[in-house]
Amino acid sequence: GAVVSQHPSWVICKSGTSVKIECRSLDFQATTMFWYRQFPKQSLMLMATSNEGSKATYEQGVEKDKFLINHASLTLSTLTVTSAHPEDSSFYICSAGSANYGYTFGSGTRLTVV
Amino acid sequence: GQQVMQIPQYQHVQEGEDFTTYCNSSTTLSNIQWYKQRPGGHPVFLIQLVKSGEVKKQKRLTFQFGEAKKNSSLHITATQTTDVGTYFCTFMEYGNKLVFGAGTILRVKS
Repeated sequence: GAVVSQHPSWVICKSGTSVKIECRSLDFQATTMFWYRQFPKQSLMLMATSNEGSKATYEQGVEKDKFLINHASLTLSTLTVTSAHPEDSSFYICSAGSANYGYTFGSGTRLTVV
Repeated sequence: GQQVMQIPQYQHVQEGEDFTTYCNSSTTLSNIQWYKQRPGGHPVFLIQLVKSGEVKKQKRLTFQFGEAKKNSSLHITATQTTDVGTYFCTFMEYGNKLVFGAGTILRVKS
Protein backbone atom coordinates (compact mmCIF):
# COMPACT_ATOMS: atom_id res chain seq x y z
CA GLY A 1 0.00 0.00 0.00
CA ALA A 2 0.82 3.66 -0.20
CA VAL A 3 3.44 4.87 2.25
CA VAL A 4 3.95 8.42 3.42
CA SER A 5 7.09 9.18 5.37
CA GLN A 6 7.24 12.20 7.65
CA HIS A 7 10.35 13.57 9.30
CA PRO A 8 11.23 14.44 11.99
CA SER A 9 8.89 12.57 14.31
CA TRP A 10 9.51 15.07 17.05
CA VAL A 11 11.39 18.31 17.46
CA ILE A 12 12.05 20.77 20.24
CA CYS A 13 13.03 24.27 19.23
CA LYS A 14 13.57 27.62 20.84
CA SER A 15 11.03 30.36 20.47
CA GLY A 16 11.77 32.50 17.43
CA THR A 17 13.49 29.81 15.41
CA SER A 18 12.12 28.03 12.35
CA VAL A 19 11.44 24.35 11.92
CA LYS A 20 11.10 22.40 8.68
CA ILE A 21 9.00 19.25 8.44
CA GLU A 22 9.28 16.92 5.47
CA CYS A 23 6.61 14.70 4.01
CA ARG A 24 7.50 12.16 1.34
CA SER A 25 5.39 9.77 -0.66
CA LEU A 26 7.60 6.72 -0.95
CA ASP A 27 5.94 4.53 -3.53
CA PHE A 28 3.66 6.86 -5.44
CA GLN A 29 3.58 10.35 -6.85
CA ALA A 30 1.49 12.93 -5.11
CA THR A 31 0.52 16.09 -6.95
CA THR A 32 -1.39 17.10 -3.86
CA MET A 33 -0.57 16.67 -0.22
CA PHE A 34 -2.39 17.98 2.80
CA TRP A 35 -1.07 19.38 6.07
CA TYR A 36 -3.00 19.05 9.31
CA ARG A 37 -2.49 20.22 12.85
CA GLN A 38 -3.80 18.38 15.88
CA PHE A 39 -3.87 19.72 19.42
CA PRO A 40 -4.08 17.27 22.34
CA LYS A 41 -7.41 15.46 22.57
CA GLN A 42 -8.73 17.32 19.54
CA SER A 43 -9.46 16.45 15.97
CA LEU A 44 -7.29 17.09 12.96
CA MET A 45 -7.62 20.55 11.47
CA LEU A 46 -6.69 21.03 7.85
CA MET A 47 -4.13 23.79 7.49
CA ALA A 48 -3.34 23.82 3.82
CA THR A 49 -3.26 21.95 0.55
CA SER A 50 0.18 21.55 -0.94
CA ASN A 51 0.18 21.58 -4.74
CA GLU A 52 3.15 20.34 -6.72
CA GLY A 53 4.67 23.12 -8.78
CA SER A 54 2.34 25.82 -7.56
CA LYS A 55 1.40 27.76 -4.48
CA ALA A 56 -0.22 26.09 -1.56
CA THR A 57 -3.80 26.94 -0.71
CA TYR A 58 -4.39 27.76 2.93
CA GLU A 59 -7.47 27.29 5.03
CA GLN A 60 -9.12 30.29 6.57
CA GLY A 61 -7.27 31.54 9.60
CA VAL A 62 -3.95 29.88 8.75
CA GLU A 63 -1.12 32.37 8.23
CA LYS A 64 0.65 31.56 5.00
CA ASP A 65 3.71 33.61 5.96
CA LYS A 66 4.07 31.67 9.16
CA PHE A 67 3.50 28.20 7.74
CA LEU A 68 5.50 28.05 4.56
CA ILE A 69 4.74 25.15 2.28
CA ASN A 70 6.88 24.00 -0.59
CA HIS A 71 5.99 21.15 -2.94
CA ALA A 72 8.89 21.10 -5.35
CA SER A 73 8.57 17.53 -6.54
CA LEU A 74 5.92 14.86 -6.92
CA THR A 75 7.16 13.04 -3.83
CA LEU A 76 8.10 15.77 -1.39
CA SER A 77 6.26 18.50 0.43
CA THR A 78 7.75 20.55 3.24
CA LEU A 79 6.14 22.64 5.94
CA THR A 80 8.26 25.28 7.62
CA VAL A 81 7.02 26.83 10.82
CA THR A 82 8.69 30.22 10.87
CA SER A 83 9.48 32.19 13.99
CA ALA A 84 7.90 29.50 16.11
CA HIS A 85 6.26 30.38 19.40
CA PRO A 86 4.97 28.17 22.21
CA GLU A 87 1.41 28.40 20.88
CA ASP A 88 2.65 26.67 17.69
CA SER A 89 3.45 23.57 19.71
CA SER A 90 1.28 20.86 18.23
CA PHE A 91 1.18 17.60 16.29
CA TYR A 92 1.61 18.25 12.57
CA ILE A 93 0.58 15.52 10.13
CA CYS A 94 0.71 15.32 6.37
CA SER A 95 -1.35 13.12 4.11
CA ALA A 96 -1.49 12.09 0.49
CA GLY A 97 -3.29 9.54 -1.59
CA SER A 98 -6.49 9.01 -3.46
CA ALA A 99 -9.87 10.52 -2.79
CA ASN A 100 -11.37 7.23 -3.96
CA TYR A 101 -9.17 4.84 -2.03
CA GLY A 102 -8.47 6.74 1.15
CA TYR A 103 -5.63 8.92 2.24
CA THR A 104 -2.40 7.77 3.82
CA PHE A 105 -1.03 9.81 6.66
CA GLY A 106 2.52 10.39 7.73
CA SER A 107 3.49 9.39 11.23
CA GLY A 108 3.30 13.00 12.36
CA THR A 109 5.71 15.49 13.88
CA ARG A 110 5.35 16.56 17.47
CA LEU A 111 6.63 20.11 17.71
CA THR A 112 7.44 21.63 21.07
CA VAL A 113 8.50 25.27 21.17
CA VAL A 114 10.22 26.36 24.37
CA GLY B 1 -18.39 25.46 5.83
CA GLN B 2 -19.78 22.00 5.88
CA GLN B 3 -19.41 20.06 9.10
CA VAL B 4 -20.19 16.71 10.59
CA MET B 5 -21.18 16.08 14.18
CA GLN B 6 -19.83 12.95 15.77
CA ILE B 7 -21.12 11.34 18.95
CA PRO B 8 -20.34 10.25 21.53
CA GLN B 9 -17.21 12.22 22.24
CA TYR B 10 -15.89 9.51 24.50
CA GLN B 11 -16.85 5.96 25.42
CA HIS B 12 -15.35 3.57 27.88
CA VAL B 13 -16.51 -0.04 27.50
CA GLN B 14 -15.76 -3.36 29.09
CA GLU B 15 -13.90 -5.74 26.82
CA GLY B 16 -16.43 -7.84 24.96
CA GLU B 17 -19.09 -5.14 24.89
CA ASP B 18 -20.22 -3.54 21.66
CA PHE B 19 -19.43 0.02 20.63
CA THR B 20 -21.05 2.42 18.18
CA THR B 21 -20.10 5.88 17.01
CA TYR B 22 -22.40 8.08 14.96
CA CYS B 23 -21.71 10.77 12.43
CA ASN B 24 -24.35 13.29 11.31
CA SER B 25 -24.36 15.98 8.69
CA SER B 26 -26.93 18.66 7.97
CA THR B 27 -26.22 18.34 4.27
CA THR B 28 -25.97 15.42 1.88
CA LEU B 29 -22.50 13.96 1.64
CA SER B 30 -21.00 12.48 -1.50
CA ASN B 31 -19.12 9.96 0.58
CA ILE B 32 -17.81 9.24 4.06
CA GLN B 33 -14.48 7.83 5.04
CA TRP B 34 -13.68 6.40 8.46
CA TYR B 35 -10.26 6.55 10.07
CA LYS B 36 -8.79 5.16 13.27
CA GLN B 37 -6.05 6.86 15.24
CA ARG B 38 -4.32 4.92 17.97
CA PRO B 39 -3.02 6.90 20.97
CA GLY B 40 0.15 8.67 19.90
CA GLY B 41 -0.28 7.52 16.32
CA HIS B 42 -1.60 8.82 13.05
CA PRO B 43 -4.95 8.26 11.34
CA VAL B 44 -5.29 5.04 9.39
CA PHE B 45 -7.89 4.63 6.66
CA LEU B 46 -10.58 2.07 7.47
CA ILE B 47 -13.22 2.36 4.79
CA GLN B 48 -15.11 4.56 2.36
CA LEU B 49 -18.90 4.57 1.95
CA VAL B 50 -20.39 6.02 -1.20
CA LYS B 51 -23.82 4.57 -1.86
CA SER B 52 -27.05 5.46 -0.11
CA GLY B 53 -27.88 2.82 2.51
CA GLU B 54 -24.55 1.10 2.03
CA VAL B 55 -23.39 -1.39 4.66
CA LYS B 56 -19.87 -2.73 4.75
CA LYS B 57 -18.22 -5.12 7.16
CA GLN B 58 -14.63 -5.65 8.18
CA LYS B 59 -14.48 -8.54 10.61
CA ARG B 60 -16.02 -7.14 13.82
CA LEU B 61 -16.55 -3.66 12.34
CA THR B 62 -19.76 -2.72 10.55
CA PHE B 63 -20.09 0.56 8.70
CA GLN B 64 -23.35 2.08 7.52
CA PHE B 65 -24.22 5.03 5.33
CA GLY B 66 -27.70 6.43 5.77
CA GLU B 67 -30.34 6.39 3.07
CA ALA B 68 -30.25 10.16 2.82
CA LYS B 69 -26.45 10.15 2.87
CA LYS B 70 -26.47 12.49 5.83
CA ASN B 71 -25.39 10.11 8.54
CA SER B 72 -23.13 7.18 9.11
CA SER B 73 -22.22 4.80 11.88
CA LEU B 74 -19.41 2.51 12.86
CA HIS B 75 -20.27 -0.45 15.07
CA ILE B 76 -17.73 -2.72 16.71
CA THR B 77 -18.94 -6.06 17.98
CA ALA B 78 -17.30 -7.56 21.06
CA THR B 79 -14.62 -4.96 21.54
CA GLN B 80 -11.04 -5.94 22.22
CA THR B 81 -8.21 -3.96 23.76
CA THR B 82 -6.72 -3.57 20.30
CA ASP B 83 -9.77 -1.48 19.34
CA VAL B 84 -8.62 1.34 21.60
CA GLY B 85 -8.19 4.64 19.80
CA THR B 86 -10.07 7.54 18.29
CA TYR B 87 -12.45 6.90 15.42
CA PHE B 88 -13.03 9.72 13.00
CA CYS B 89 -15.64 10.10 10.32
CA THR B 90 -14.51 12.35 7.52
CA PHE B 91 -15.93 13.75 4.34
CA MET B 92 -14.55 15.25 1.18
CA GLU B 93 -14.78 18.94 0.48
CA TYR B 94 -14.13 20.77 -2.74
CA GLY B 95 -10.61 20.09 -3.90
CA ASN B 96 -10.62 16.59 -2.41
CA LYS B 97 -9.86 18.05 1.01
CA LEU B 98 -10.59 15.62 3.79
CA VAL B 99 -12.47 17.20 6.69
CA PHE B 100 -12.51 15.43 10.02
CA GLY B 101 -15.30 15.06 12.50
CA ALA B 102 -14.51 15.60 16.16
CA GLY B 103 -13.85 11.91 16.70
CA THR B 104 -14.97 9.39 19.29
CA ILE B 105 -12.40 8.21 21.79
CA LEU B 106 -12.82 4.54 22.64
CA ARG B 107 -11.28 3.04 25.75
CA VAL B 108 -11.62 -0.67 26.44
CA LYS B 109 -11.28 -2.05 29.93
CA SER B 110 -10.03 -5.61 30.16
